[in-house]
Amino acid sequence: GENVEQHPSTLSVQEGDSAVIKCTYSDSASNYFPWYKQELGKRPQLIIDIRSNVGEKKDQRIAVTLNKTAKHFSLHITETQPEDSAVYFCAATIDSGGYQKVTFGTGTKLQVIP
Amino acid sequence: SAVISQKPSRDICQRGTSLTIQCQVDSQVTMMFWYRQQPGQSLTLIATANQGSEATYESGFVIDKFPISRPNLTFSTLTVSNMSPEDSSIYLCSADRGGSTDTQYFGPGTRLTVL
Repeated sequence: GENVEQHPSTLSVQEGDSAVIKCTYSDSASNYFPWYKQELGKRPQLIIDIRSNVGEKKDQRIAVTLNKTAKHFSLHITETQPEDSAVYFCAATIDSGGYQKVTFGTGTKLQVIP
Repeated sequence: SAVISQKPSRDICQRGTSLTIQCQVDSQVTMMFWYRQQPGQSLTLIATANQGSEATYESGFVIDKFPISRPNLTFSTLTVSNMSPEDSSIYLCSADRGGSTDTQYFGPGTRLTVL
């Protein structure tokens, strides 16, 4: 089955700096890559996603890049703010007999220091 | 996006008992999913529930321990049976609309503690 690795497991940055989280996946058939943000005690919330036919996508301070050949994708957060502090999960999705099966990375705990 | 609610939000249960968690979506969805999230860990898929058919379980999860119902296109239940302290975790349901929309949206989770 699909295996998603995520690095780093923890990340501390100064407010205003950039943060980068990297993920790799194993199954070349994966075709959709969402990123979720989970604040303490809350549900995972989708923040950005990218499909396999796109190399880069940006939404304000958040961007995601995808390298299909290397099977890795990254989340970039610029001008970080304290409210960006949370756990971020990458995921890879594959068509599994009529539904999309999601495999999550292990998570990155981001701390933005004011 | 879909609005998903879960009941109960948390519970403390005794060893050997069972708990049924309910998941309600505000619109019809094709697939519903149940995940387990241990404290500080990632999300692990338990099973996928399609309306009108038996759930599909992931490796390491069995129907006798985690029976699932999916009676209609907006509702599903997960039962954690014969609980032990190792079942203490957060259980989350999610849903996607199928078709060209792949995104899964999550319920708020049920925090289960087994004594």
